[in-house]
Amino acid sequence: GNSVTQMEGPVTLSEEAFLTINCTYTATGYPSLFWYVQYPGEGLQLLLKATKADDKGSNKGFEATYRKETTSFHLEKGSVQVSDSAVYFCALIHSGAGSYQLTFGKGTKLSVIP
Amino acid sequence: SQTIHQWPATLVQPVGSPLSLECTVEGTSNPNLYWYRQAAGRGLQLLFYSVGIGQISSEVPQNLSASRPQDRQFILSSKKLLLSDSGFYLCAWSVGLGDKETQYFGPGTRLLVL
Repeated sequence: GNSVTQMEGPVTLSEEAFLTINCTYTATGYPSLFWYVQYPGEGLQLLLKATKADDKGSNKGFEATYRKETTSFHLEKGSVQVSDSAVYFCALIHSGAGSYQLTFGKGTKLSVIP
Repeated sequence: SQTIHQWPATLVQPVGSPLSLECTVEGTSNPNLYWYRQAAGRGLQLLFYSVGIGQISSEVPQNLSASRPQDRQFILSSKKLLLSDSGFYLCAWSVGLGDKETQYFGPGTRLLVL
């Protein structure tokens, strides 16, 4: 089946620290991969995506590379800010009965302290 | 550009009361529509999806139902709420591109059943 495994949080970092949130997946074929971010009290926002192997998604200083060999899509940022404090979800898309569906990881809560 | 709306933003309901949550999408035609629930500590769970008017697929059997009376309107309902229905309900839309499609989420409705 299809599944996504994220590193468990919470993760607490000081401002300007380097961030890595690990994400690995199990899937048939080569699904598109996503990172979504959820700020407190809000819905999910698409942060970045990659649709094929070796693609790098990037947005707002965050990056993730689709690694087929290691079935991974780790999220990185070189210098985090307090405003990056949120919950981050890794996800993949796969075919269901008549539609395509997202499978999410459990989310990783990031807290950035000044 | 496309936008997605959900209302109400917050709802407090007694056990046994009915429920109606609404989601509308603007700026696109014939979207795929989704309802997710995010319960504390349980991640994101797909409840229903729809690929067209009147077409609803359920992922999880429960006392909730969904309807799609118009192309860009998706409604989540219940005849009698349970305590376990409390959570954050998210609507999402996508345009069918198969395994390259991206889902975009609304701001969510926070439901508390007392």
